[in-house]
Amino acid sequence: DQQVKQNSPSLSVQEGRISILNCDYTNSMFDYFLWYKKYPAEGPTFLISISSIKDKNEDGRFTVFLNKSAKHLSLHIVPSQPGDSAVYFCAASKGSNYQLIWGAGTKLIIKP
Amino acid sequence: DARVTQTPRHKVTEMGQEVTMRCQPILGHNTVFWYRQTMMQGLELLAYFRNRAPLDDSGMPKDRFSAEMPDATLATLKIQPSEPRDSAVYFCASGRDISSTDTQYFGPGTRLTVL
Repeated sequence: DQQVKQNSPSLSVQEGRISILNCDYTNSMFDYFLWYKKYPAEGPTFLISISSIKDKNEDGRFTVFLNKSAKHLSLHIVPSQPGDSAVYFCAASKGSNYQLIWGAGTKLIIKP
Repeated sequence: DARVTQTPRHKVTEMGQEVTMRCQPILGHNTVFWYRQTMMQGLELLAYFRNRAPLDDSGMPKDRFSAEMPDATLATLKIQPSEPRDSAVYFCASGRDISSTDTQYFGPGTRLTVL
């Protein structure tokens, strides 16, 4: 029973265009969401997060949108750059619970 | 540039052998997490420690897996005996505190192959 789902295993985007990565969750108790980025042969690194009291959080080229009614969040990268090619993981947690529930990841490929 | 280190980076072993994976958390971090990543799944939490004490290892198969922190600079994950289904990448992560809003810093992982 996957509580956090990333339904697109991969996504290919032209350099300079917008990349949109999607994540759906089933547990309405989740109140904190994170995106991590992972390069091959490296561990995931934190990218951006959002609390459930917000619907948008922006950090430079990266923006995360949260739609609580749809139980959906998305990560927008604009403009996309070659260095953005990586696997992106969505994760969620609830309350003060330490445990992060992770999606399976989406591989983003930025084409030159 | 502080980072989490893990050894070995790669391990190939035969079914039934003992496997030990090591992790050195970032100095000053007091939480350590062990994760497993398989081909089709996201990251699965196996165990975590705070101030060297195990707080939750419910994600681990108890009969064959064990996790310890002999000191603040070393965390270990052991599998005995190993099985082919244990083949995965094992990540260690550390953090400053227990809150889920604190960033977890990941090591590069140990890629384990059990034949």
